Amino acid sequence: EAQVTQNPRYLITVTGKKLTVTCSQNMNHEYMSWYRQDPGLGLRQIYYSMNVEVTDKGDVPEGYKVSRKEKRNFPLILESPSPNQTSLYFCASSVGYNSPLHFGNGTRLTVT
Amino acid sequence: AQSVTQLDSQVPVFEEAPVELRCNYSSSVSVYLFWYVQYPNQGLQLLLKYLSGSTLVESINGFEAEFNKSQTSFHLRKPSVHISDTAEYFCAVNGVGGYQKVTFGTGTKLQVIP
Repeated sequence: EAQVTQNPRYLITVTGKKLTVTCSQNMNHEYMSWYRQDPGLGLRQIYYSMNVEVTDKGDVPEGYKVSRKEKRNFPLILESPSPNQTSLYFCASSVGYNSPLHFGNGTRLTVT
Repeated sequence: AQSVTQLDSQVPVFEEAPVELRCNYSSSVSVYLFWYVQYPNQGLQLLLKYLSGSTLVESINGFEAEFNKSQTSFHLRKPSVHISDTAEYFCAVNGVGGYQKVTFGTGTKLQVIP
């Protein structure tokens, strides 16, 4: 089954404790991206990747890092999480940057 | 630069009644347009898309949207809603040509009342 898999689905952590949210897709998509969803703000792009080893900032990249060492994986790293990063995070992929996005089921992160 | 406006944050509607969810966009280039649906505790799923050709596009579950270039709109309609249509709907725009990031609206929660 074609899908984007994120883990974990739920994560509660404390300020400053480094964490990684994993994202994997099995569709051989070149384009991958991360979004955060906050009430009243819709989805805002954090980082995106056009291909392996090619990443760039989205609208709200501060406090986040990404890497794209393999085509299928695109982890999101929070080196020192803060409470304002409490949000619902989505990973997405597509054949190309103008193509419809396939989303994972989301990761709900709470930083206390 | 591009932007998407979904003025209605919530739309309550009775079951079997028609519904329209509004979406307006602005862009300095030609656009691709999308509607995504998000059911509770799930990721977004593509509902329908306009890339080119006919300005009226339809989904498999009875929704349709019409691209209106002069009014820069892409409103979503359904003639008769079901309880199962209760979800949040997001309009998205993507510029044509080169890399143009997709921009999402703030979403409209459709609540179907039995």
